[in-house]
Amino acid sequence: DQQVKQNSPSLSVQEGRISILNCDYTNSMFDYFLWYKKYPAEGPTFLISISSIKDKNEDGRFTVFLNKSAKHLSLHIVPSQPGDSAVYFCAASAFYGGATNKLIFGTGTLLAVQP
Amino acid sequence: EPEVTQTPSHQVTQMGQEVILRCVPISNHLYFYWYRQILGQKVEFLVSFYNNEISEKSEIFDDQFSVERPDGSNFTLKIRSTKLEDSAMYFCASTLTGPTGELFFGEGSRLTVL
Repeated sequence: DQQVKQNSPSLSVQEGRISILNCDYTNSMFDYFLWYKKYPAEGPTFLISISSIKDKNEDGRFTVFLNKSAKHLSLHIVPSQPGDSAVYFCAASAFYGGATNKLIFGTGTLLAVQP
Repeated sequence: EPEVTQTPSHQVTQMGQEVILRCVPISNHLYFYWYRQILGQKVEFLVSFYNNEISEKSEIFDDQFSVERPDGSNFTLKIRSTKLEDSAMYFCASTLTGPTGELFFGEGSRLTVL
């Protein structure tokens, strides 16, 4: 039951270029979406979020885009830095619908930023 | 910066043994969670806890699992009789405002069941 899918297990990008990480979801009840970053041997760290009433949210080098009709979101990192190399998880919740307060995670995308 | 701390960082146990994983959430947070990640798989929700009771649990969280917040600071996950498939990294998380706020994760406790 993969309600949140990250179809690219890995992505390699040159330093200074844009990284685009993609995520698709199937559950139309999801109304809140988050991106987490995870280094080996550490817990996930929150990066950025977006609610379903928006289609874009920006925080410094990180921008999340939401396309509700396509059930697709993406995380843009620009410019990419070697320290951004980590596993990025997309997560979703149906929180505002009142049904749940749990997050459903995707399988993650390993981003490697080459110097 | 406040952080969620978890102990032990790694525990090895025999199948059938009881295990308790401990977490100290951030002190003013109100919502507490356990997630787990089996090696190579996605992070999976186990249970959420608010106002001293379970608010939601997944199908993974069966009768072998329990959670407690015995003293207002620690938040524990107990697995009564461990199985091989319980081997995973277990993450505790907390947040002040529910999942629309930033969910702070601990560094995880690796459980290996032999």
